[in-house]
Amino acid sequence: DAKTTQPNSMESNEEEPVHLPCNHSTISGTDYIHWYRQLPSQGPEYVIHGLTSNVNNRMASLAIAEDRKSSTLILHRATLRDAAVYYCILSKIGSSNTGKLIFGQGTTLQVKP
Amino acid sequence: GAVVSQHPSRVICKSGTSVKIECRSLDFQATTMFWYRQFPKQSLMLMATSNEGSKATYEQGVEKDKFLINHASLTLSTLTVTSAHPEDSSFYICSARDVLAGPRSSTDTQYFGPGTRLTVL
Repeated sequence: DAKTTQPNSMESNEEEPVHLPCNHSTISGTDYIHWYRQLPSQGPEYVIHGLTSNVNNRMASLAIAEDRKSSTLILHRATLRDAAVYYCILSKIGSSNTGKLIFGQGTTLQVKP
Repeated sequence: GAVVSQHPSRVICKSGTSVKIECRSLDFQATTMFWYRQFPKQSLMLMATSNEGSKATYEQGVEKDKFLINHASLTLSTLTVTSAHPEDSSFYICSARDVLAGPRSSTDTQYFGPGTRLTVL
């Protein structure tokens, strides 16, 4: 299975944009890129996902490199409530899709007031 | 958005007893649910895949006789930790996969429960 690599931690100032990188150099054509985040003592929360094109939703934007070997989760204006562990996960599509999500270590985002 | 609940949120038990944790999808049906375990300052570890009406599929290294999983309906899966020991103390999290993947779920999104913190004395 293709793996992802993320920085262990990042810091941001409140109300500034945050760019969280993820490398997935061995991604295959049938892998979706998912982002989840986990606030302290809570279950993970879906953030966004994409396949090839950039994606936007009310929570964040996902920028996917043209070769799909990396992606960036963009929080447009960080708030203190965005402090969490952010996980970048690859998941198969189509008949290979078991639905399993294999979590790596993720990036711990600290937001300073 | 879709909601998944877990009960109890926190449980303390004595060593040797069994503990049952429930996972419910409240506003959607889930043929597949997943169970994870998370130790302090570590990531989530997938334990098993729970399929409605069939036996669960366990990940390598997870004892199926110790962690009993039952998925009796499209909205309920249970995890029973049998003969619990202090090393089983952990944060147990379930997730549910929306059967009708569509605009709301943005194609096969998983929804996670809030977790159950188990402490075995």
